[in-house]
Amino acid sequence: AAGVIQSPRHLIKEKRETATLKCYPIPRHDTVYWYQQGPGQDPQFLISFYEKMQSDKGSIPDRFSAQQFSDYHSELNMSSLELGDSALYFCASSQVAGKRHEQYFGPGTRLTVT
Amino acid sequence: AQSVTQLDSHVSVSEGTPVLLRCNYSSSYSPSLFWYVQHPNKGLQLLLKYTSAATLVKGINGFEAEFKKSETSFHLTKPSAHMSDAAEYFCVVSPLGGNAGNMLTFGGGTRLMVKP
Repeated sequence: AAGVIQSPRHLIKEKRETATLKCYPIPRHDTVYWYQQGPGQDPQFLISFYEKMQSDKGSIPDRFSAQQFSDYHSELNMSSLELGDSALYFCASSQVAGKRHEQYFGPGTRLTVT
Repeated sequence: AQSVTQLDSHVSVSEGTPVLLRCNYSSSYSPSLFWYVQHPNKGLQLLLKYTSAATLVKGINGFEAEFKKSETSFHLTKPSAHMSDAAEYFCVVSPLGGNAGNMLTFGGGTRLMVKP
């Protein structure tokens, strides 16, 4: 079965650079979520989109922005990168049309800021 | 508001013995509850979910969890641990509602170690 695809899987950037992470949800899933997992920490919710509109916002820094496109894929744009942004970034998708929807996670993008 | 507390940051068991990973939740709404597993350098895999149907939920790989509203608990159990069960386990809560974009709130995680 198709799963959530994230690219790139690994990314190394320097401080003050920008990064773009991409997420391709499971086919027919209409909602995308972004989570950040720092070293040794639990995942923290950043932001979510439903039908291309932002639906929930968590602890996402102002330096970050995200959007969902017409094909339902999503991009997380990160600017002025800081060392503390080094983390594993997960994307998850769900199908809201069904009740009690669970979120399916991608493999994550490991971002290292040097 | 919702929160999840995993009572043990580390649990160590011997192969073939039972596993108990404890989780308590707090939610203003009737919650959906999940257990996810994360193997080293891997993504998050859904083990099982509770969404207001049967209180005893069976998941993959022989895991199950029981929703106890009176105790606000959702402990994860397995009768017999296997070496491949060694991983980080997250108890997760989400509000049970029809709204789109229900964010998940993760517990702090429990690292399960399995000794031969």
